Amino acid sequence: DIQMTQSPSSLSASVGDRVTITCRASQSISRYLNWYQQKPGKAPKLLIYIASSLQSGVPSRFSGSGSGTDFTLTISSLQPEDFATYYCHQSYSTPGTFGQGTKLEIK
Amino acid sequence: QVQLVQSGAEVKKPGASVKVSCKASGYTFTGYYMHWVRQAPGQGLEWMGTINPSGGGTTYAQKLEGRVIMTRDTSTNTVNMELSSLRSEDTAVYYCARVRSTSGWLDAFDIWGQGTMVTVSS
Repeated sequence: DIQMTQSPSSLSASVGDRVTITCRASQSISRYLNWYQQKPGKAPKLLIYIASSLQSGVPSRFSGSGSGTDFTLTISSLQPEDFATYYCHQSYSTPGTFGQGTKLEIK
Repeated sequence: QVQLVQSGAEVKKPGASVKVSCKASGYTFTGYYMHWVRQAPGQGLEWMGTINPSGGGTTYAQKLEGRVIMTRDTSTNTVNMELSSLRSEDTAVYYCARVRSTSGWLDAFDIWGQGTMVTVSS
């Protein structure tokens, strides 16, 4: 199975900050990397697919980049509603594995 | 609108089985693979398996092979996930999730059910 490792595991930031979360795959996954946002008690929400494509309805302050084994999710200017847990997910091969999550908290 | 509506919370004893349903609406049910993902309390997301609603073919996570069965009913646009020989470690929220495109099962998940809490306790 492909292992997905996110860093950091948690992050404190303020409204208006620029934030970057990284995800590393244990082998090359081309660009088959997706990002989700999850708020407490809710289902995950797709933000980015195929590394850098913005899902419909997602604000443009979210962006993704990377290929091969190293990927990043960037939030250009944090808004109050962005404080949540973020997961990366590889859809290159079965089983589709997730990162352990990055909890983004208010500083 | 496109949505997935799951069945309600369940409490089961160790060794029992549980069946969770996921009813799809607002799109062509047979056009998109469906996956099941679970999340233990305070933990991350774990992929369980996938089903092709068109032909019924399935692929399961190796650790769940022999305990999980996924089925579909095209007359009601419903997929089901049955997990047997339940143990305390199976306590989790179970989600169904639809793939984003019609190109196969390896894809992002764009539509999620609301989640079903399954508690395994004696």
